[in-house]
This record gives sequence, structure tokens and C-alpha cells, in this order.
Amino acid sequence: KAGVTQTPRYLIKTRGQQVTLSCSPISGHRSVSWYQQTPGQGLQFLFEYFSETQRNKGNFPGRFSGRQFSNSRSEMNVSTLELGDSALYLCASSNTGYDGYTFGSGTRLTVV
Amino acid sequence: QQQVKQSPQSLIVQKGGISIINCAYENTAFDYFPWYQQFPGKGPALLIAIRPDVSEKKEGRFTISFNKSAKQFSLHIMDSQPGDSATYFCAANNQGGKLIFGQGTELSVKP
Repeated sequence: KAGVTQTPRYLIKTRGQQVTLSCSPISGHRSVSWYQQTPGQGLQFLFEYFSETQRNKGNFPGRFSGRQFSNSRSEMNVSTLELGDSALYLCASSNTGYDGYTFGSGTRLTVV
Repeated sequence: QQQVKQSPQSLIVQKGGISIINCAYENTAFDYFPWYQQFPGKGPALLIAIRPDVSEKKEGRFTISFNKSAKQFSLHIMDSQPGDSATYFCAANNQGGKLIFGQGTELSVKP
């Protein structure tokens, strides 16, 4: 079965702009989580959605937001981009919403 | 209390040797401990996971050892191969999709 699909794979944006990243989970998975990966901070949890509701949120500013649609697809939005937002953004999905999370290959965002 | 501390940062092992990566946590509410493997340009892939009601779990060449009283767990890779060269992350969870990751270990297996 198809894995977790993230689009686009690469993005270059300018400071101050906003960006939307997309994640299509494995079919049947109701939980989608988002993570930011940087060399300095490692993998940091952004937020998790389960059946269209945000269930958990990490310690990121309000510029980072997300949503989940009825088909479990999820989007993540970052507004007013800063240079420090340059990172690999990873999406993971799970059937149980608790364990067995499968990650996508990520979206590499570069802010210039 | 939400941290997971992972060591070493990097590890070099000869082909056929045993690779050992350690993690420690403080939050006793954590009840799910997965290990992920990540290759360059790819997302992390789930290798093996354990819950605190067992002390060891083995899947092929990969074994997790879990010490609940010490709040530590480790990954052992037996008969390490060059294809195992990757970055390994331990993680812990007690709140749905909120995985707390260790800082990662870059493993290099020399032929």
C-alpha cells in the first residue's frame, strides 16, 4: 500500500512569506503528526491531528498552524517565514493514533 | 522531564560487530519506546518498538533492551553491516502522536 506522501519535496521561500505543506497519510490512518527536523534541534513535535481535531501541540509559535480534512489529509501552514524556519518538515501517520507512526520523506523548506 | 537523552552522538563499528546505542528518559508516564532509522534524504523509518512491560524485544538483528527501574533503553544491532550505516533515533511517547525524540546517533559500519 502507498506510504505517507508529502508535497512538495522542496520549497524555497523568502522571509515574510507564508507556506503551506501537504501530507497524505496511509489509507485508513486517522492520526497525522508533524515534526520539524534541523541539525541543531533534531526532531521536534509540532502538532498532531486525529479525526480532524488537533489533539496535541508542541512548543512552536502561533505562526505554525495545521489542519486535517475529513479524508485524513493534512496541511501545515507557516506564516511570516523567518530564516530559522528552514528545516525538513516531516509528516507521520498512524492507524491507532498512538503507535506505529510511519513517516513521509518530508518537505525541505529553505527560507532566504 | 520531557527529554530523551541519546548516546553516543556518533559510532563507528566494524562489519560483523555489535552496535549499541543508549537512551535515557525521566518521564515515568512514557509507555511506548520506538527506534527509528533514517537515511539521508528520507524520513525516519520505524525499526522496532517496546513497551515497559517487557525487558527485551528482538526482531532479526535488532534488539531493544529495556530497564524500567533505571529509565533506560538501548538498541543492539548484531552482525552490523555497511547497509546499516544511517542515523538512529530513539523516541518515547505517552500522548498519542507526540513522540519525543533523542538527538540521534550517526552509525557508520566499516567494511
